Amino acid sequence: TQLLEQSPQFLSIQEGENLTVYCNSSSVFSSLQWYRQEPGEGPVLLVTVVTGGEVKKLKRLTFQFGDARKDSSLHITAAQPGDTGLYLCKNGQNFVFGPGTRLSVLP
Amino acid sequence: EPEVTQTPSHQVTQMGQEVILRCVPISNHLYFYWYRQILGQKVEFLVSFYNNEISEKSEIFDDQFSVERPDGSNFTLKIRSTKLEDSAMYFCASSESRGALSGANVLTFGAGSRLTVL
Repeated sequence: TQLLEQSPQFLSIQEGENLTVYCNSSSVFSSLQWYRQEPGEGPVLLVTVVTGGEVKKLKRLTFQFGDARKDSSLHITAAQPGDTGLYLCKNGQNFVFGPGTRLSVLP
Repeated sequence: EPEVTQTPSHQVTQMGQEVILRCVPISNHLYFYWYRQILGQKVEFLVSFYNNEISEKSEIFDDQFSVERPDGSNFTLKIRSTKLEDSAMYFCASSESRGALSGANVLTFGAGSRLTVL
């Protein structure tokens, strides 16, 4: 059974700061997804990464998939209050989410 | 944009009662899921459903729970004899594929049903 870890568990920063959150696995991902859950809503897919070393950008968000496909990072540049939420990683091939990083961006 | 709709948005029930949470998945999706999120905690997988049967379930999904697709549109989660610890947000999701061939299954979630057990 693949175990997913995410760090940090909680992160509270000021608007305009940069941040990076991480997802690590006990085994190789065939593909990895990042979702964001805003308060009071369901998770929404941000990105899917498939190839080791892959980097994808979504506006101020940069996603990197580790070369060995066992880890991934999400970097947010110049965070805004609208980025507040729970960031979840998930193996693209199954249904289990990591525990998430709860981000709070203060104005 | 197609969306997953869930009803009710909030249900309050007495301990020991049965509740049914309803979901209308996206019309061309074939895979359906239920997740649970206790307040402030992680999103926990309960069950997946395909071709009118359960395809996978977690340890949480015990005999207290059941799922059904009673018609061509609705997908329901029934919780029998509710307990205080069943209080949570319950999310329904659907996906077009399982992801084995396409590389990943993309889940579209509803807004959730908040269950409060008193």
